[in-house]
Amino acid sequence: GENVEQHPSTLSVQEGDSAVIKCTYSDSASNYFPWYKQELGKRPQLIIDIRSNVGEKKDQRIAVTLNKTAKHFSLHITETQPEDSAVYFCAASTASYDKVIFGPGTSLSVIP
Amino acid sequence: GAGVSQSPSNKVTEKGKDVELRCDPISGHTALYWYRQRLGQGLEFLIYFQGNSAPDKSGLPSDRFSAERTGESVSTLTIQRTQQEDSAVYLCASSLPWVSETQYFGPGTRLLVL
Repeated sequence: GENVEQHPSTLSVQEGDSAVIKCTYSDSASNYFPWYKQELGKRPQLIIDIRSNVGEKKDQRIAVTLNKTAKHFSLHITETQPEDSAVYFCAASTASYDKVIFGPGTSLSVIP
Repeated sequence: GAGVSQSPSNKVTEKGKDVELRCDPISGHTALYWYRQRLGQGLEFLIYFQGNSAPDKSGLPSDRFSAERTGESVSTLTIQRTQQEDSAVYLCASSLPWVSETQYFGPGTRLLVL
């Protein structure tokens, strides 16, 4: 089955700097890659997703890139703010009707 | 509209007792997931229901864990003979796959086994 790895497990950046979180997946059939943000004590929420027919997607300060050949995808957050501090989970799925497998998470701390 | 709800929000039980956790998905969502999240850890997939298809139970950690879903509505996760290692937050999520793969999570049930 699908296996998703995520690095780093923890990340600290200064406010205003960029943060990059990287994920790899094992199943070459995976074609949907969402990212969820979980603030302390709250439920995970989708922040951005990308499909295999697209190499990059941006939404304001957040961007995701996908390299299907290498089975890598990354989350980029620019101009980080303290409210970006949270745990970020990447995930992969093979189809709309298949389960989503999450990575272990990255705890991001943005230092004011 | 109403989001995903879960009950109870907190549950304290004694080792060896059975517990039942409930999830009410967003109305009309055909897909429903259960995850376990231990303190400071990731989202561990447990079980996935999609419409009338047979559920994907590949994530259930032992035969003490089972889940049912009534049609495309309420789901219950049952843990029999609870152990201390079952202590975690149990999260439920639902989605409508042919519209969007976005999973909408409930607030979770925090289970503590003493």
